[in-house]
Amino acid sequence: EAGVAQSPRYKIIEKRQSVAFWCNPISGHATLYWYQQILGQGPKLLIQFQNNGVVDDSQLPKDRFSAERLKGVDSTLKIQPAKLEDSAVYLCASSLGGNQYFGPGTRLLVL
Amino acid sequence: EDQVTQSPEALRLQEGESSSLNCSYTVSGLRGLFWYRQDPGKGPEFLFTLYSAGEEKEKERLKATLTKKESFLHITAPKPEDSATYLCAVQAARAGGTSYGKLTFGQGTILTVHP
Repeated sequence: EAGVAQSPRYKIIEKRQSVAFWCNPISGHATLYWYQQILGQGPKLLIQFQNNGVVDDSQLPKDRFSAERLKGVDSTLKIQPAKLEDSAVYLCASSLGGNQYFGPGTRLLVL
Repeated sequence: EDQVTQSPEALRLQEGESSSLNCSYTVSGLRGLFWYRQDPGKGPEFLFTLYSAGEEKEKERLKATLTKKESFLHITAPKPEDSATYLCAVQAARAGGTSYGKLTFGQGTILTVHP
């Protein structure tokens, strides 16, 4: 069974630029999560989708972050404009119910 | 607000030297406590889910246990390949519905096993 796929794996941008990350969850998984992991910390949830709908986006900085899930499958997370403190690993996870399975993450460096 | 605290922050062991990692938590109704392993440059890899106090699960050299306030990850006779960051997370029970909510993670314990 293929795992969660993410791209790109690495991205370096300058502050105030825009960036987008892509996630393809495990086939059949209805729930999709985006987490932010700052160096030395555990992952923190940004947004949770159930099929196409948003279940929890309470910790998403909505003035600069946006996310969508197309047709209940793939998802994109966008940051516009980026700040220095957005440097982190962005992890996508999916679940069918219960256990969450994580992708390899996208490592973002904002200069 | 759900909180998870892991200790120690870092642990260095000699190969074969058994030890335990601690995860203390507060949550408004526990649905599950999760242990993940994370290698450098990779996403967290699922290890265990524990649902109720007294439950134990084992996988190779790892055993996870759960009480009402904390969980332990016991590592028996570790090998260098067990070196990684071990993350603990809790998931709160959601009133009604069948969707499953976010994981609240601790900061992790960095385990290094020397040959």
